[in-house]
Amino acid sequence: GQQVMQIPQYQHVQEGEDFTTYCNSSTTLSNIQWYKQRPGGHPVFLIQLVKSGEVKKQKRLTFQFGEAKKNSSLHITATQTTDVGTYFCARAAGNKLTFGGGTRVLVKP
Amino acid sequence: EPEVTQTPSHQVTQMGQEVILRCVPISNHLYFYWYRQILGQKVEFLVSFYNNEISEKSEIFDDQFSVERPDGSNFTLKIRSTKLEDSAMYFCASSPIGGSYEQYFGPGTRLTVT
Repeated sequence: GQQVMQIPQYQHVQEGEDFTTYCNSSTTLSNIQWYKQRPGGHPVFLIQLVKSGEVKKQKRLTFQFGEAKKNSSLHITATQTTDVGTYFCARAAGNKLTFGGGTRVLVKP
Repeated sequence: EPEVTQTPSHQVTQMGQEVILRCVPISNHLYFYWYRQILGQKVEFLVSFYNNEISEKSEIFDDQFSVERPDGSNFTLKIRSTKLEDSAMYFCASSPIGGSYEQYFGPGTRLTVT
């Protein structure tokens, strides 16, 4: 199937440090969405990328779509405790989202 | 800000019993979805619903599952004869249009089958 894979599965970050999580597909993606799920919560939409090489920023979060539209990344600078949660990328096709496995982010104060 | 709501927040049932999970999508949205998330795993698509019919479903959504929009506000997921492996968090979502539009998720119903 047309899966999206995410690495790493877990990310332990010291507060104040930067980190990046990656989303990869074996096939070309028409778009990629990112969602955040806080512990015990539900997925919340963050952003959608559709253009090759697209870069979008939301405060300390930078999202990028690869030139070949087969991968995407989320970079968080100066991590805060509020960044704790699982970050999912998802491919939207038809009327469904196909989620990656997620990167679970734990922040050490 | 409008939200998707779900009831109950937690449902415990015995294997073989029927359960109905309820959702109230955002009022002007036209597309409705159910997803499930087994503890610690990824979110999996079950079914999408538009114009009073299923528009897409996954291989998980077998004959034991059904969806219904019984009135203008509710959207339900029925599991006819629950199995232990149906234990999961079930999320309802809605969007104003389909395709690649962002989806708004409800808080989920945790289903525990014993």
